[in-house]
Amino acid sequence: DAGVIQSPRHEVTEMGQEVTLRCKPISGHDYLFWYRQTMMRGLELLIYFNNNVPIDDSGMPEDRFSAKMPNASFSTLKIQPSEPRDSAVYFCASSRTGGYNEQFFGPGTRLTVL
Amino acid sequence: AQSVTQLDSQVPVFEEAPVELRCNYSSSVSVYLFWYVQYPNQGLQLLLKYLSGSTLVKGINGFEAEFNKSQTSFHLRKPSVHISDTAEYFCAVSGAGGFKTIFGAGTRLFVKA
Repeated sequence: DAGVIQSPRHEVTEMGQEVTLRCKPISGHDYLFWYRQTMMRGLELLIYFNNNVPIDDSGMPEDRFSAKMPNASFSTLKIQPSEPRDSAVYFCASSRTGGYNEQFFGPGTRLTVL
Repeated sequence: AQSVTQLDSQVPVFEEAPVELRCNYSSSVSVYLFWYVQYPNQGLQLLLKYLSGSTLVKGINGFEAEFNKSQTSFHLRKPSVHISDTAEYFCAVSGAGGFKTIFGAGTRLFVKA
């Protein structure tokens, strides 16, 4: 299995631009998670999906952030408009049903907003 | 509600010395406990997990952890560390029947030659 795939690996953009991060979960996993990691705030859960349906988006910081999962093999996290404080590493993770199952993380997207 | 506290933000240690990374959790229900490791510029990966049964859990790379229900702890140990163990380590808890894993703030292990 290829593992969780994220693209792009690095993104540099200017303040005010739209940013779209992409994730392909492991086949057969029915949970998908989006996290943000910064030095100041550590690892934060933004949103998670079960069977393509958003279950908990309470971690999404502002209306500028949105996430979709149109099918079982693809999810996007969009920031519009982006701001410098959005600079972080964004991780996607997937898992099978059950709290006893570990999450498999992608390599992350390092976002820099100038 | 569940929570996880990692008691040390940074742990410096010399190569071949033993190390313990501390983790305490709180939960009103039965829990599953995890340790993940994050190497520089990589995502998190599972080191080990406790689901039930024996309270001593062995993981990859020579790490082990002990579940202590009375002290609500799940400390991670390694008897002899290597330079390559330099990484950030995250303790995490998930409730039985729940699917949201709560991660601790992380402990940065720095192994010196």
